[in-house]
Amino acid sequence: AQSVSQHNHHVILSEAASLELGCNYSYGGTVNLFWYVQYPGQHLQLLLKYFSGDPLVKGIKGFEAEFIKSKFSFNLRKPSVQWSDTAEYFCAVNPGYSSASKIIFGSGTRLSIRP
Amino acid sequence: GAVVSQHPSWVICKSGTSVKIECRSLDFQATTMFWYRQFPKQSLMLMATSNEGSKATYEQGVEKDKFLINHASLTLSTLTVTSAHPEDSSFYICSAGGLAGEFTYEQYFGPGTRLTVT
Repeated sequence: AQSVSQHNHHVILSEAASLELGCNYSYGGTVNLFWYVQYPGQHLQLLLKYFSGDPLVKGIKGFEAEFIKSKFSFNLRKPSVQWSDTAEYFCAVNPGYSSASKIIFGSGTRLSIRP
Repeated sequence: GAVVSQHPSWVICKSGTSVKIECRSLDFQATTMFWYRQFPKQSLMLMATSNEGSKATYEQGVEKDKFLINHASLTLSTLTVTSAHPEDSSFYICSAGGLAGEFTYEQYFGPGTRLTVT
């Protein structure tokens, strides 16, 4: 069955530290990849997405992610985190050819930033 | 563009009653809408996929008679929780995709509806 794994359940960092959140998926075909963020008490927001082309994708708020096809990975990175980055982060995969295909979410990683 | 709304944003109902949640695509048409459920501090679990004009496809373990989904038009899908019980209390989120007339891989998410059953 198709699945998305986020190995870090809770990450705690100090401000200005670098961030990398892992995401691996199990699907051998063409995939579309997403990272979503959910701030406390708010709804999902799209951070960045990969459909094709350059495997290094830049998103909003200084986030980026790299698609490594051979490793089935799409890790999220940020060079210097801020307190306002405290949120839940979800990796998601759309294993299909259109947005009419269902999206599979990872279990999420809670990021806590110490001021 | 690509805004999805949900109504209501928060609803409290008594056990045994039914609740209807609406999901609308405001500025585009969507052939497919998805319904998710999110428990506190957990991920989104897909409940069902609804295509305009046809029956919804439910994920394994989701009771289709309890969670009635209707997708009558390209801009509206509804989720009705029938005979709600406290264990149905959750955050329900919809998304819209398969944009009619466009080809895009992205789905657009609504803000969610918090259901509390007392």
